[in-house]
Amino acid sequence: DGGITQSPKYLFRKEGQNVTLSCEQNLNHDAMYWYRQDPGQGLRLIYYSQIVNDFQKGDIAEGYSVSREKKESFPLTVTSAQKNPTAFYLCASSKTGPSNEKLFFGSGTQLSVL
Amino acid sequence: EDKVVQSPLSLVVHEGDTVTLNCSYEVTNFRSLLWYKQEKKAPTFLFMLTSSGIEKKSGRLSSILDKKELSSILNITATQTGDSAIYLCAVSSNSGYALNFGKGTSLLVTP
Repeated sequence: DGGITQSPKYLFRKEGQNVTLSCEQNLNHDAMYWYRQDPGQGLRLIYYSQIVNDFQKGDIAEGYSVSREKKESFPLTVTSAQKNPTAFYLCASSKTGPSNEKLFFGSGTQLSVL
Repeated sequence: EDKVVQSPLSLVVHEGDTVTLNCSYEVTNFRSLLWYKQEKKAPTFLFMLTSSGIEKKSGRLSSILDKKELSSILNITATQTGDSAIYLCAVSSNSGYALNFGKGTSLLVTP
C-alpha cells in the first residue's frame, strides 16, 4: 500500500543534541513538507520541497535543516539552535501543479526534550 | 500576510447533536480550501472546495464555500463519539506552494 512513513514515533532530545526525523513516501509524489504542531496552534510550515535537490524555508525554519537527495525521502534535522523543539512533527507529500493541493500525511513524530 | 481563522477553537456536544464549524480566510490569490480530520496522529482529508456555493457531502459531513464572505463551514449532523477529533481548515493560493492551516477546532462528542 502506498503511504508516508515517519520514524521514530517518539524521540527524546538531550540539551545541545541534533536529532533527525525520518520521512519516506512511496506515493511517487514530487512535493514533500514538514509541519510542526503545538497544542492549540494548528500546523505551521517548517520546510518544503517541490523537487529533488531543492527545498525552501517555511514560516518557522530557524533551528531546523532538511535535505532532499531522493524523491522518496525528506529527513528533518532539529538542531541545537532550536530552543523549544518539543512538539508533534508531521511530514506530508503531494503531487505538484494546479488542483494538486491535497496533502497526504504521515503518522507523526512526537519530539520531547530530556 | 495570509491568515486562516477557525472558530470555535473547542466544542463539546452530546451524541446526536448537529455541529457547525467555521473557517474564515484572508489569502492572496485564493485557489482552494481544504478540511482535514485529525483523530490521533495523521490528519485525513475530508473535502476540497474551489467553487462558491457548491456543497460537498460525505455521509453526515458536508461543507460549503462562500468566496464572497471568504469563509467556509463544515457541518456534522447526528454526531457520534467517533466524530471526536481536531478539524483543520487549510487554504491554498496561486502564489504559494504549501497549505496555510488554521489552529483547528477540537470537537468532543459525549455519549
